[in-house]
Amino acid sequence: GESVGLHLPTLSVQEGDNSIINCAYSNSASDYFIWYKQESGKGPQFIIDIRSNMDKRQGQRVTVLLNKTVKHLSLQIAATQPGDSAVYFCAQRVTGGGNKLTFGTGTQLKVEL
Amino acid sequence: DAGITQSPRYKITETGRQVTLMCHQTWSHSYMFWYRQDLGHGLRLIYYSAAADITDKGEVPDGYVVSRSKTENFPLTLESATRSQTSVYFCASSEPAGTRNSPLHFGNGTRLTVT
Repeated sequence: GESVGLHLPTLSVQEGDNSIINCAYSNSASDYFIWYKQESGKGPQFIIDIRSNMDKRQGQRVTVLLNKTVKHLSLQIAATQPGDSAVYFCAQRVTGGGNKLTFGTGTQLKVEL
Repeated sequence: DAGITQSPRYKITETGRQVTLMCHQTWSHSYMFWYRQDLGHGLRLIYYSAAADITDKGEVPDGYVVSRSKTENFPLTLESATRSQTSVYFCASSEPAGTRNSPLHFGNGTRLTVT
């Protein structure tokens, strides 16, 4: 199957700390991975993506790590801010499947002041 | 402004009624998608379209119909609404999968309640 799941449903961090959100996937034919952020009442918002030929990609305060050996994806958020509080989803695309994405069930990130 | 817009934002309908959710994008993206979001299931693909007049089923297509006569519009119709179709519906668009990264861009959703 093409399941994509998350290890922790809720993650609480202190403001200013670094956050790490994890994601496991099952389909080794996945060639592209994306992290989305979803705030209450809004649609998923693109954060960062990575292709399967890479193992790390950095953006502004965010880093995505891909370990294809163990089929694991993580999102690191540096210096977490209250505005980072949201649900985070990982998504995967399978090679040759058009541009369809399969989503995990999400992790709630709560930033405590 | 460029983007993807969904209408209505909220809809309440009765069981058995037909309802259409609208989606419009201004990026000229070739791909468009409909997902539904339910607690415990995350986002599940209903239908997608690779181009005008080309549509295909996703993971949960039963009870839904789509059309794509124009690149920018991708309406989703529930022909005879059931309570199990109460959900939040998201439309998305993207460039084709290819050598460039092509993330999906989502609208803000339609919350549909079927009574």
